[in-house]
Amino acid sequence: GEDVEQSLFLSVREGDSSVINCTYTDSSSTYLYWYKQEPGAGLQLLTYIFSNMDMKQDQRLTVLLNKKDKHLSLRIADTQTGDSAIYFCAESGDNTDKLIFGTGTRLQVFP
Amino acid sequence: GAVVSQHPSWVICKSGTSVKIECRSLDFQATTMFWYRQFPKQSLMLMATSNEGSKATYEQGVEKDKFLINHASLTLSTLTVTSAHPEDSSFYICSARDRSGPLDEQFFGPGTRLTVL
Repeated sequence: GEDVEQSLFLSVREGDSSVINCTYTDSSSTYLYWYKQEPGAGLQLLTYIFSNMDMKQDQRLTVLLNKKDKHLSLRIADTQTGDSAIYFCAESGDNTDKLIFGTGTRLQVFP
Repeated sequence: GAVVSQHPSWVICKSGTSVKIECRSLDFQATTMFWYRQFPKQSLMLMATSNEGSKATYEQGVEKDKFLINHASLTLSTLTVTSAHPEDSSFYICSARDRSGPLDEQFFGPGTRLTVL
């Protein structure tokens, strides 16, 4: 079945860039997503990328997709303390309503 | 963006009782809603897909008689945890699909924390 893996934890200094990585197994994914979850809250969609794209930039966020290696990354430029949260990547297949979530990466930003 | 609410935001109940959680799409109609559970420091696991006017589709390993889902209108889905046990304690999150936008996006509720004593 589908499997989405992420590193569990990332700690960065305020103002530095953060890079969160994700690997997935389902090559039929049409869209890949990045969600943010703050403590005790639901998920907020940050950005997404269509599977035929290599890169997408949205303000401080840059998504890179290596479809050959099934590797997705999220770069947050000028990381702020408000970016501290858990970040989930997710994939959706072409013919399915389902989202398959990664294991989540806890980002901690320190001053 | 579209807003999804959940009620209650938290609930504590005794073992053996039933608990109902509501998920509402506030400003759009959702023919499809999803129910997830999340254990502490873990990812979201899809429990079931709720379809308006028809039976829910449950994921493998999820007991449909224990987790009753009703999607009676285009803006409301309910999850009832029947005969709750301490191992049912978890964070339950719903999402609703908005097909009117370009992305066919799922919007997530804020979650309901269930604690079973």
